[in-house]
Amino acid sequence: DAGITQSPRHKVTETGTPVTLRCHQTENHRYMYWYRQDPGHGLRLIHYSYGVKDTDKGEVSDGYSVSRSKTEDFLLTLESATSSQTSVYFCAISLSRTADTQYFGPGTRLTVL
Amino acid sequence: QQQVKQSPQSLIVQKGGIPIINCAYENTAFDYFPWYQQFPGKGPALLIAIRPDVSEKKEGRFTISFNKSAKQFSLHIMDSQPGDSATYFCAAKKTDKLIFGTGTRLQVFP
Repeated sequence: DAGITQSPRHKVTETGTPVTLRCHQTENHRYMYWYRQDPGHGLRLIHYSYGVKDTDKGEVSDGYSVSRSKTEDFLLTLESATSSQTSVYFCAISLSRTADTQYFGPGTRLTVL
Repeated sequence: QQQVKQSPQSLIVQKGGIPIINCAYENTAFDYFPWYQQFPGKGPALLIAIRPDVSEKKEGRFTISFNKSAKQFSLHIMDSQPGDSATYFCAAKKTDKLIFGTGTRLQVFP
């Protein structure tokens, strides 16, 4: 998985609680992405980062926030988890803006009860 | 609004068959079209990719056919094997973002 780790790998939480997912890379890639994967929807971009403290919204950003204080770490926070946020979350990295390939982490399965 | 439409949703073939997965797009600004392969419990991994100035690209048993005028591209898997059983995603790239299709679950039976 190209030097990408995600933690936790599995999490069960209750509606209304805050949740933070972590993506850590050892590749020194500039771009980092958070996706969610749901049946029938494929992979949808939540937020992405193009450098330390530089982030932007993706297609399905409502209810999510991100932070990137170091090149290697990209955090995804659900401020108040809802059942609709039950999903598998993938982090991806890319070398640069013009680089074509995104490398994906192993994923985090989140269940919100 | 699905910018990249993928079909079929699922596909079952016998070993040695040639499954074909199709994708269509609308935005002519897309400039790179990858296919990703995903096994259960794993993240997607790049399988093969093509640029719109090329009509076909082959890597081993995997071939992409690209029709720029029709805004369609497809993945062909020659001599499919049970180990090819996975979910396949097409995607299209615009600037720094990938837009994914909804995925095709392929099962290859011995």
